[in-house]
Amino acid sequence: EAGVAQSPRYKIIEKRQSVAFWCNPISGHATLYWYQQILGQGPKLLIQFQNNGVVDDSQLPKDRFSAERLKGVDSTLKIQPAKLEDSAVYLCASSSQGAGGNTIYFGEGSWLTVV
Amino acid sequence: DQQVKQNSPSLSVQEGRISILNCDYTNSMFDYFLWYKKYPAEGPTFLISISSIKDKNEDGRFTVFLNKSAKHLSLHIVPSQPGDSAVYFCAVNSNSGYALNFGKGTSLLVTP
Repeated sequence: EAGVAQSPRYKIIEKRQSVAFWCNPISGHATLYWYQQILGQGPKLLIQFQNNGVVDDSQLPKDRFSAERLKGVDSTLKIQPAKLEDSAVYLCASSSQGAGGNTIYFGEGSWLTVV
Repeated sequence: DQQVKQNSPSLSVQEGRISILNCDYTNSMFDYFLWYKKYPAEGPTFLISISSIKDKNEDGRFTVFLNKSAKHLSLHIVPSQPGDSAVYFCAVNSNSGYALNFGKGTSLLVTP
């Protein structure tokens, strides 16, 4: 079974530029998550989708971050304009249902450096 | 406000000995608990979980213990192997369907 796929793996951009990350979840998984992991911290949820609807985006900085999951499968996360503090690993994850009682499976992450 | 705390940023253990990683949580509504392992330049991988109806779950060398009254869980690895060297994250969830809350992680080093 294929895992969660993410691209690009690495990206370096200048502050105020924009960047987009793509995620393809495990086949059949209805729930998709984007997490941000800053060095030395645990992953922090940015947004959770159930199919193509948003369940929780309370920690998404909506002035610069946006995410969509068209057709309830793939998802993109965009940052515009980027700030230095956005340097982090952006982890996409999926689960078969909402995370309650279910395991979340992560992709390898997209490493962003903002200079 | 950190709902999940891993108070030991790092742990060093000799090969063959037991590794014990600890995690504390603040909300008694959490009822599903997981451990993830993360190697450098990779995403976290699921290791083991336990629901609140149990106090112990075992999978090979890995055992998770849950003490609900103390809001504490621990991961035991025995015997520890050099390949276990990684960052271990504790994560918690409630059956309401919301996403996992993670601790900051404990970096385990198993020395030969």
